[in-house]
Amino acid sequence: DSGVTQTPKHLITATGQRVTLRCSPRSGDLSVYWYQQSLDQGLQFLIQYYNGEERAKGNILERFSAQQFPDLHSELNLSSLELGDSALYFCASSVAQTGTGGYTFGSGTRLTVV
Amino acid sequence: AQSVTQPDIHITVSEGASLELRCNYSYGATPYLFWYVQSPGQGLQLLLKYFSGDTLVQGIKGFEAEFKRSQSSFNLRKPSVHWSDAAEYFCAVGARSGYSTLTFGKGTMLLVSP
Repeated sequence: DSGVTQTPKHLITATGQRVTLRCSPRSGDLSVYWYQQSLDQGLQFLIQYYNGEERAKGNILERFSAQQFPDLHSELNLSSLELGDSALYFCASSVAQTGTGGYTFGSGTRLTVV
Repeated sequence: AQSVTQPDIHITVSEGASLELRCNYSYGATPYLFWYVQSPGQGLQLLLKYFSGDTLVQGIKGFEAEFKRSQSSFNLRKPSVHWSDAAEYFCAVGARSGYSTLTFGKGTMLLVSP
């Protein structure tokens, strides 16, 4: 157990729907990162939050949004889902803003859009 | 912006044989460097990291990596592979100056034959 908790582990939904993925960072970590992993694109950085504030944005689609709450858990919202959004979504956390000590990853949420 | 290349998509090694996984990075200065391992259905686990100092870094599970500035490489090695090492391995790079998140390579899948 890495200390980073992601729920749900699996999600199957239809095109056009909206889903919310949840992440609780490791105790003491203030930064949360979201990554998308697919066979063709590899690990793609989506977005980072630090202590409730957005800190960095990567290849995140406009249909996707995220937030970090006062208790530091984070949610990734995916809307108007398309077949191509099927992927593993990972959350990672770190103590610092820059994550130079490395990230601790959760076990991921596997999203299947049908 | 930094980038990471892992030239081998798949590598097959016999159990007990030595292993070297290649990683090359592109960055204007010396970056922070990491190796992660992902077992099937799991998140990414940090194997080792390089910040500064000794260019040979020891990690968990008997892995080591050597930073070679002249070659912009950070190859991962293990003297004797065990069947349980079969997994996907990711090299990652982080910037020392300014602010950025980790950039991951596309991964190398290690298969271990009996």
